[in-house]
Amino acid sequence: AQSVTQPDIHITVSEGASLELRCNYSYGATPYLFWYVQSPGQGLQLLLKYFSGDTLVQGIKGFEAEFKRSQSSFNLRKPSVHWSDAAEYFCAVGAKSSASKIIFGSGTRLSIRP
Amino acid sequence: GAVVSQHPSRVICKSGTSVKIECRSLDFQATTMFWYRQFPKKSLMLMATSNEGSKATYEQGVEKDKFLINHASLTLSTLTVTSAHPEDSSFYICSARWGGETQYFGPGTRLLVL
Repeated sequence: AQSVTQPDIHITVSEGASLELRCNYSYGATPYLFWYVQSPGQGLQLLLKYFSGDTLVQGIKGFEAEFKRSQSSFNLRKPSVHWSDAAEYFCAVGAKSSASKIIFGSGTRLSIRP
Repeated sequence: GAVVSQHPSRVICKSGTSVKIECRSLDFQATTMFWYRQFPKKSLMLMATSNEGSKATYEQGVEKDKFLINHASLTLSTLTVTSAHPEDSSFYICSARWGGETQYFGPGTRLLVL
């Protein structure tokens, strides 16, 4: 069965420090992978996506993610976080053949220490 | 581009009444729209998928007679919570897709049933 695991429920990092949010997926087919961010009480904003090609994907707000097929991972990174990055981050996976449904991970809440 | 709006952003209603939530794609025509429900500090749960001009496809466990979905045009889908009860209180989020694989999300509607 397809699934997405975000092992870290809550992460706190200092402003200016680097960030890595983990995401592992289980999927039978070639996956489409997404990272979304949700600010409190808001909808989701797409940070980046991977469909094919270069496994290092650049997104908005200085985020990037790397697809590692051998590890079934799609970790999100940012070299230097800003206080405005505090939010909930969701990793999601969809199918190439039926991408109309995407499965969300449970989310990682990011807090920024001043 | 790819802006999705929802109305209302917040609604409070009495138990037993019905509530309609609108989801609009503002700058594109959405071939498919999705409705999600999000419980506090939880991930998104897909409720149903709707394609313009056809009946919605509901996920297992979602009552189609309780959560009525209408996708009357390529830019509008509505979710009606019929005979709402306190356990229906939640954050409802819609998303829209056109042709590609990426879903764009609305800002969400917070429903409180008293």
